[in-house]
Amino acid sequence: AQTIHQWPVAEIKAVGSPLSLGCTIKGKSSPNLYWYWQATGGTLQQLFYSITVGQVESVVQLNLSASRPKDDQFILSTEKLLLSHSGFYLCAWSLLGEDTQYFGPGTRLLVL
Amino acid sequence: DAKTTQPDSMESTEGETVHLPCSHATISGNEYIYWYRQVPLQGPEYVTHGLQQNTTNSMAFLAIASDRKSSTLILTHVSLRDAAVYHCILRVAHNKLTFGQGTVLSVIP
Repeated sequence: AQTIHQWPVAEIKAVGSPLSLGCTIKGKSSPNLYWYWQATGGTLQQLFYSITVGQVESVVQLNLSASRPKDDQFILSTEKLLLSHSGFYLCAWSLLGEDTQYFGPGTRLLVL
Repeated sequence: DAKTTQPDSMESTEGETVHLPCSHATISGNEYIYWYRQVPLQGPEYVTHGLQQNTTNSMAFLAIASDRKSSTLILTHVSLRDAAVYHCILRVAHNKLTFGQGTVLSVIP
């Protein structure tokens, strides 16, 4: 069975500090991977997607970057956090050639 | 991008059948209709999807109008666990899902 794991579960960070959020997929080879962001009370927005190792497409610019260092790993990061980065970050996966996306448990981020 | 319109909220009682409507008057011929649901502090959960024919699975029945300008997600014998925000989404581009506000479904014991 596939498992999608996100870390950390939650984090409180200071404005201007760096951030790194992780996502791993187990049980599926070469999945498409996605990052989404949801502000408190807001709608989900897709930030990035990746179809293969080393290849990441940006969908929305939020002063964040993403990388896919391994087939089963997707990283979201920034060197300087803004207050506006607070929210709920979700990783999702889909099979190559299919459109149904399955979401992880998410990471809650609070920037102070 | 084609958009969907859903009621802000609906209410049902445990054990009843609830019909969640979605309007998508400008849907393109190759756009799939996806339904997800989300409870607070969790990621969205896939419910079902369809293109033209009605579909059914263990979670719900999706009824798609013959002109594809609207669809209805039907949940039978709803329980408290079905309380969530239900999102009707059109797949507008490969790999992209665009979420809106959805319908908040409340279930009364």
